[in-house]
Order: sequence, then structure tokens, then C-alpha cells
Amino acid sequence: DGGITQSPKYLFRKEGQNVTLSCEQNLNHDAMYWYRQDPGQGLRLIYYSQIVNDFQKGDIAEGYSVSREKKESFPLTVTSAQKNPTAFYLCASNTDIEYNEQFFGPGTRLTVL
Amino acid sequence: ILNVEQSPQSLHVQEGDSTNFTCSFPSSNFYALHWYRWETAKSPEALFVMTLNGDEKKKGRISATLNTKEGYSYLYIKGSQPEDSATYLCARTGNQFYFGTGTSLTVIP
Repeated sequence: DGGITQSPKYLFRKEGQNVTLSCEQNLNHDAMYWYRQDPGQGLRLIYYSQIVNDFQKGDIAEGYSVSREKKESFPLTVTSAQKNPTAFYLCASNTDIEYNEQFFGPGTRLTVL
Repeated sequence: ILNVEQSPQSLHVQEGDSTNFTCSFPSSNFYALHWYRWETAKSPEALFVMTLNGDEKKKGRISATLNTKEGYSYLYIKGSQPEDSATYLCARTGNQFYFGTGTSLTVIP
């Protein structure tokens, strides 16, 4: 089955630790995205990538880093510099950044203790 | 940051009622307007992507319209059913996706 997988579903980390969230897709999509959702807010874009080895900052990139070494994979690292990392994180992909629908993964809920 | 607004924030309707929501967005540098349905414990799923002023799309009991000149889109649900209960998100694309905060719909049996 084609789709996007994110792991783990729930993640707990101590304050000050870096943590990496996994996102893998087998849809052969060029573009991949990371969003963050907080209660009462819409999806906010953290980073996106239109092609392997290239990525762009979204509106809330501070405290996060990404890599795109393979077309299928777009891991997100939440660093200790992110002041409020507890949130729900969604990964998405599509074939054309502007015109085509996005396909979403199931999300990872990160709680920093 | 581009401001995409959705109203109402939440909505409760009786089964069988028809309903509609609004998505407002800046009209400059417009590429496309997307609607997604996000059911609890699931991933958001695309409903429609619209690009042209005056576009109308329909999928079963759900339809959407687009006005790019005045910067709004309406989503209509005819004869709401309990399975329509979800959060409905709109997103405008320019050089990236900008999502609204969503409209949470609850259909009461």
C-alpha cells in the first residue's frame, strides 16, 4: 500500500534533549512537508523540501532541523533550542508543491517533560 | 505569514441539516485553494483543490466554490450525516501551504 508513515506515534523526551521524528513515503512524491499543530491553531509549516538535498524554512523553523538525503525520507529533528516543543507533528507529501493535494501521515505527538 | 481564516470555528448540526463554512484568504499571488477533512484519530484527507475563479467542485453531498477576486471559498454539506463529523481545513498555496485553523463540525444523530 502506498502512503506516508510516521514513527513513533507518541514520543516522550526530557527537556534539553534533541529528538528526531521519522517520515517516510512510498508515493514517489517530490515534495515533503513538516507541520506542527497546537491546540486552537491551524497547521503551521516548519520546513518543506521540493527535491532531494534541498529544503526551505517555513514560518516556524527556529529550533528545528531537517535533512532530505533520499526522496522517500524527510526526518525532522527537534532541537533543544526549540522553546516549546510539545505538540502534534504532521508530515505530508505531494507531487507539485502548489497545485496538487497533500497526503498526510498519521502524526507524532511529542511531549517534552 | 499569510493569514487564512475559517469560520465558524465550530458547528453543531442535526442529522439531515445542510450546512456551510467559509474560508477567507488574501487574493494576491494566489495559486490554489485546498479543502481537507480531518477525522479524529485519522490523517487529513483532501476533498478538493481549486485553482480558477468561479470553480465549483462536488463530491457526493459535499461541494465547494471559489472566488479568487474577493478571496473566499465556501464548503457546503447537503443533508449532513454523523459520518461527516470532522474538522474541515482549508489551505491556500502561494509559494507554500498556508492552512486555516479549521471548522469543527459535529453532526448530531
